[in-house]
Amino acid sequence: RKEVEQDPGPFNVPEGATVAFNCTYSNSASQSFFWYRQDCRKEPKLLMSVYSSGNEDGRFTAQLNRASQYISLLIRDSKLSDSATYLCVVIRDNDMRFGAGTRLTVKP
Amino acid sequence: DADVTQTPRNRITKTGKRIMLECSQTKGHDRMYWYRQDPGLGLRLIYYSFDVKDINKGEISDGYSVSRQAQAKFSLSLESAIPNQTALYFCATSGSGADGYTFGSGTRLTVV
Repeated sequence: RKEVEQDPGPFNVPEGATVAFNCTYSNSASQSFFWYRQDCRKEPKLLMSVYSSGNEDGRFTAQLNRASQYISLLIRDSKLSDSATYLCVVIRDNDMRFGAGTRLTVKP
Repeated sequence: DADVTQTPRNRITKTGKRIMLECSQTKGHDRMYWYRQDPGLGLRLIYYSFDVKDINKGEISDGYSVSRQAQAKFSLSLESAIPNQTALYFCATSGSGADGYTFGSGTRLTVV
């Protein structure tokens, strides 16, 4: 079993839709959590950190559920420019583990 | 200039050849990492270094070696390249793990 698992998608949604991604992690000692965005053939870039209290940045909301060991990312009012792969990242003891990513395509 | 610079951006090499990928950073971070990315597998850690004299193996270090020549430079070597090392390689830095990483633009390596 992979330490960090994501639905690979692809998710194909129309502009304006709300889309949610989930990610599960297997090690309960994991300490820090992030969502990264990766455009095709580009490097991953930090999208946002994830906290138990929830974290909102504009149209993006991230949530952590430690009891169930999952992380979520909600994108509201999807834009064409949101098309990318979204990577769930978990850190434990300075060791950063990536999910394989969920691909999102937003269509006109 | 980019905070984390990788060279070369693309490379095609033959099986059995030695190749070095280079990474330099201007962020002043102590921690540097090398990852490879394969379709469907996500990023996997090859080696990492928390300081100039510190080298640690990651998940998939076999067939690779690294050198931390200075705080700002971390190079990855494939001593004898093989086709299943064809992948996209990323260098990354961090000030501390809790802050997330900054990645270089990647090196696309093809071993034929």
